[in-house]
Amino acid sequence: AQSVTQPDIHITVSEGASLELRCNYSYGATPYLFWYVQSPGQGLQLLLKYFSGDTLVQGIKGFEAEFKRSQSSFNLRKPSVHWSDAAEYFCAAGKAAGNKLTFGGGTRVLVKP
Amino acid sequence: DTAVSQTPKYLVTQMGNDKSIKCEQNLGHDTMYWYKQDSKKFLKIMFSYNNKELIINETVPNRFSPKSPDKAHLNLHINSLELGDSAVYFCASSLRLAGVDEQFFGPGTRLTVL
Repeated sequence: AQSVTQPDIHITVSEGASLELRCNYSYGATPYLFWYVQSPGQGLQLLLKYFSGDTLVQGIKGFEAEFKRSQSSFNLRKPSVHWSDAAEYFCAAGKAAGNKLTFGGGTRVLVKP
Repeated sequence: DTAVSQTPKYLVTQMGNDKSIKCEQNLGHDTMYWYKQDSKKFLKIMFSYNNKELIINETVPNRFSPKSPDKAHLNLHINSLELGDSAVYFCASSLRLAGVDEQFFGPGTRLTVL
């Protein structure tokens, strides 16, 4: 069965520090991979996506993610977090056809001043 | 301009009632979706429609009936509401029914069943 796992439920990071959020997937083939952010009381916004090619993907708000096929991972990183990065982050995977996304359980990021 | 909008934002109702949530997108997209986010923030797709045609129905109870009067609208009607239906429901849309296309999400409707 297809699944996406985000091992960390909560992460607390100091403002200005680096952030890394983990995501592992289990699919029959390499899926399309996405990271979304959900701010409190808001819908989801796409940060970045990976389909093929360069395994290091740049997104909005200074985020990047690296696809590692050997580890079935697609981890999200930001070199220096801002207080406004406090939110829930979701990793998702989908197939080429059908556009059905499978989401991970989310990681809540808290930013300390 | 709001790309994907939902109404209402909050919905509080009693068990057994019937309620509807409306969704509209002004992006000109062909495909629309309903997702359910439970109290643990777990997001799961319920339905997808492409050009008003039902594509995905993820074993959702038949108390849930989506209706797409046109490509820009996908409404969700729920009959005989149960406590377990309490959740946040998100509508989304994408240009096509293709995995490469980004899904744009609405702000969500928080449904509370008492």
